Amino acid sequence: GENVEQHPSTLSVQEGDSAVIKCTYSDSASNYFPWYKQELGKGPQLIIDIRSNVGEKKDQRIAVTLNKTAKHFSLHITETQPEDSAVYFCAPWGYQKVTFGTGTKLQVIP
Amino acid sequence: GAGVSQTPSNKVTEKGKYVELRCDPISGHTALYWYRQSLGQGPEFLIYFQGTGAADDSGLPNDRFFAVRPEGSVSTLKIQRTERGDSAVYLCASSLTAQNEQFFGPGTRLTVL
Repeated sequence: GENVEQHPSTLSVQEGDSAVIKCTYSDSASNYFPWYKQELGKGPQLIIDIRSNVGEKKDQRIAVTLNKTAKHFSLHITETQPEDSAVYFCAPWGYQKVTFGTGTKLQVIP
Repeated sequence: GAGVSQTPSNKVTEKGKYVELRCDPISGHTALYWYRQSLGQGPEFLIYFQGTGAADDSGLPNDRFFAVRPEGSVSTLKIQRTERGDSAVYLCASSLTAQNEQFFGPGTRLTVL
């Protein structure tokens, strides 16, 4: 199966600073790369995704960058706000299967 | 519009009992997924359906776990002879097709005493 690693496992930033979370995967056939946000007591929610034919995608304060050669993709959050505090998961799709990362707990300090 | 719903929201059972967990996906979504999430962990893939058929069931931990989706809509996850280690939140998600945004339900918290 696919090996997926996320770093860091926890991240604390001051409000207004940027946060970057990296996801490394092993399956070279992976071609769809989403990031999910999970708040306490709720199911994960997609915040941004990218496909393998694109290197970067941005949606307001959130961006994702993909390096297929090195097999990693990263979530970038700029101008962080307290409501960004949550657990974030990468979930790359390999052949016919999705594997979630172990999660990054982001704390934004007001 | 209606999202993914799961019932029950909480289920407490005794070791050795049989349980069924239900998932109602978003109407028109052909792909449906089941995950298991333990505290502090990421969702662990169990099975995914494309229509009525299981496209990948490699995540089911053993033969006590079984899932069906007979009409390509509602799905039921069935667990026989429950064990304390089965205690977790069971998440269901659906997407229009595979490799697209998954919409998650709120989960069913299963506790096996």
